[in-house]
Amino acid sequence: ETGVTQSPTHLIKTRGQQVTLRCSSQSGHNTVSWYQQALGQGPQFIFQYYREEENGRGNFPPRFSGLQFPNYSSELNVNALELDDSALYLCASSPRGGTSSEQYFGPGTRLTVT
Amino acid sequence: AQSVTQPDIHITVSEGASLELRCNYSYGATPYLFWYVQSPGQGLQLLLKYFSGDTLVQGIKGFEAEFKRSQSSFNLRKPSVHWSDAAEYFCAVMELRGGATNKLIFGTGTLLAVQP
Repeated sequence: ETGVTQSPTHLIKTRGQQVTLRCSSQSGHNTVSWYQQALGQGPQFIFQYYREEENGRGNFPPRFSGLQFPNYSSELNVNALELDDSALYLCASSPRGGTSSEQYFGPGTRLTVT
Repeated sequence: AQSVTQPDIHITVSEGASLELRCNYSYGATPYLFWYVQSPGQGLQLLLKYFSGDTLVQGIKGFEAEFKRSQSSFNLRKPSVHWSDAAEYFCAVMELRGGATNKLIFGTGTLLAVQP
């Protein structure tokens, strides 16, 4: 069984640029959530995707957007990067329905904005 | 609003000693509670979860946690700490969204150091 994978591992961007982060969900999981973890903080929910549509959003501006594809993989896009966007971005997948609400996390993408 | 508090930012214990990491939550209904561990530069690994039933739950790596509704707490324990347990530990509550898969609300974490 393949776990959650994310790419790239590390990324350095300049303020004002745009970035795309990628996530492949665990086999059998059709829901993907994205979290931002700033240094020294707990992860903060950005948004969630189910059936290729956004299914809940945290307190993040519209320049944070996403996609989910038919194979349940997902992208996180951030436009007009700001210095405060520097963080570890975590993707988590989960199965849909039932009582199983566990989220399984990938290793993350470390984004540095200079 | 739902929230999770981890009062201890940093804890140091000796190898072989017992461990208790504190977690308090604020949530209007019966919570779904989780403990995750994060090693440096890594993602989050689920240690254990509480959904309902027995208030003492067992997890991986010898960890357990006890749900106490009267204290709004979900403390993580381990009888004997190993050097490999050094990591950051996050408590989380799941905010339920009416049938949809739901978001996790995390505490700020407790960094555990293990002395030889």
